Amino acid sequence: GAVVSQHPSWVICKSGTSVKIECRSLDFQATTMFWYRQFPKQSLMLMATSNEGSKATYEQGVEKDKFLINHASLTLSTLTVTSAHPEDSSFYICSARDRAETQYFGPGTRLLVL
Amino acid sequence: GENVEQHPSTLSVQEGDSAVIKCTYSDSASNYFPWYKQELGKGPQLIIDIRSNVGEKKDQRIAVTLNKTAKHFSLHITETQPEDSAVYFCAARRGTSYGKLTFGQGTILTVHP
Repeated sequence: GAVVSQHPSWVICKSGTSVKIECRSLDFQATTMFWYRQFPKQSLMLMATSNEGSKATYEQGVEKDKFLINHASLTLSTLTVTSAHPEDSSFYICSARDRAETQYFGPGTRLLVL
Repeated sequence: GENVEQHPSTLSVQEGDSAVIKCTYSDSASNYFPWYKQELGKGPQLIIDIRSNVGEKKDQRIAVTLNKTAKHFSLHITETQPEDSAVYFCAARRGTSYGKLTFGQGTILTVHP
């Protein structure tokens, strides 16, 4: 199956700093990528949908100035958590959709803000 | 919007038994139904999917059935193994280019050796 990678796999940062997470589709082109957040023992919560070359569409309640998304190419999307605070600590997962509209997920990035 | 209900929330079986997880959806326009397996600390892994033009799909020990009239679909795992233990999520989506997956709440499957 198709492979989606994320980097870093985990990150610890101080409160107030910004953190960038990269998501890459390794063997296919993804016109659409998605960013999810997952709390322990819960389902996936969609944060935003990102289409290559255009602005991301954010779900209700997600601050676009807080979670900056860039989808610069058909294989790369980035999520930047700006001025991170402890409440931003979570498991962030990206997903990419191929031309057959099948959606694949990355391995996730665990963010801990101290 | 779409609403997906998944049952049961936890499922415990003995190795070798079958496991069945069921999902219902509300949007009759949904036509794509994937299932994902998520192991602890990892991202969801697509294990099987079905589109609304078929009623059943099999891949070795895993099968998915779809009943469009009743708006429900099920995951069947036969001859379960301990490594099948994980959280399983169903999802549904409309077939539009910008359609979003709506996930069920997840099922924690435990396979006892």
